[in-house]
Amino acid sequence: EADIYQTPRYLVIGTGKKITLECSQTMGHDKMYWYQQDPGMELHLIHYSYGVNSTEKGDLSSESTVSRIRTEHFPLTLESARPSHTSQYLCASSEPPRLAGAYNEQFFGPGTRLTVL
Amino acid sequence: GIQVEQSPPDLILQEGANSTLRCNFSDSVNNLQWFHQNPWGQLINLFYIPSGTKQNGRLSATTVATERYSLLYISSSQTTDSGVYFCAVARSRGSQGNLIFGKGTKLSVKP
Repeated sequence: EADIYQTPRYLVIGTGKKITLECSQTMGHDKMYWYQQDPGMELHLIHYSYGVNSTEKGDLSSESTVSRIRTEHFPLTLESARPSHTSQYLCASSEPPRLAGAYNEQFFGPGTRLTVL
Repeated sequence: GIQVEQSPPDLILQEGANSTLRCNFSDSVNNLQWFHQNPWGQLINLFYIPSGTKQNGRLSATTVATERYSLLYISSSQTTDSGVYFCAVARSRGSQGNLIFGKGTKLSVKP
């Protein structure tokens, strides 16, 4: 079944650790996204990618980095985690538009809830 | 940038009641989606509805793009409908299809 997977679902780590949040999709989608959501708040786009070797920064500035070496895989890395990085991180994907100016539906993974002590 | 406003911010219903959630946006859009975020934080797609009307069981949605608003109707609410409902839009020009989210409506359905 086509789906979007995120691991780990929950992560508690100490300050200064390097972490990588994994996101994989079997939807066959080219475009992928990372959103950050603080508790009780709206989602903000931090990174997106149009396809392999493409990465772009989103609307919310983030100290995280992303890579896109394979179409189905879009990991997010924090080189040195801090308590201010505590948040939920959601990965999403969508098909590219068939028509100029048309945008397709985004589908979300289950999220990773990160706590940095 | 585009503004997305959802109302009401909080809503408490008795099981079986009906409700209407509203999403206003400040610019032309080529994508509008409604999501339900469950207590575990997962976003569930409800509707992809840049214009027109759709129905799925007890839920339906209408987007009037020319007047820049969308409505989500929940009929015969159930306790499992509780959670946060988000509206998200992509501006027609210059957004690369990236979604901007509203602050959500927190719905609590009491048994």
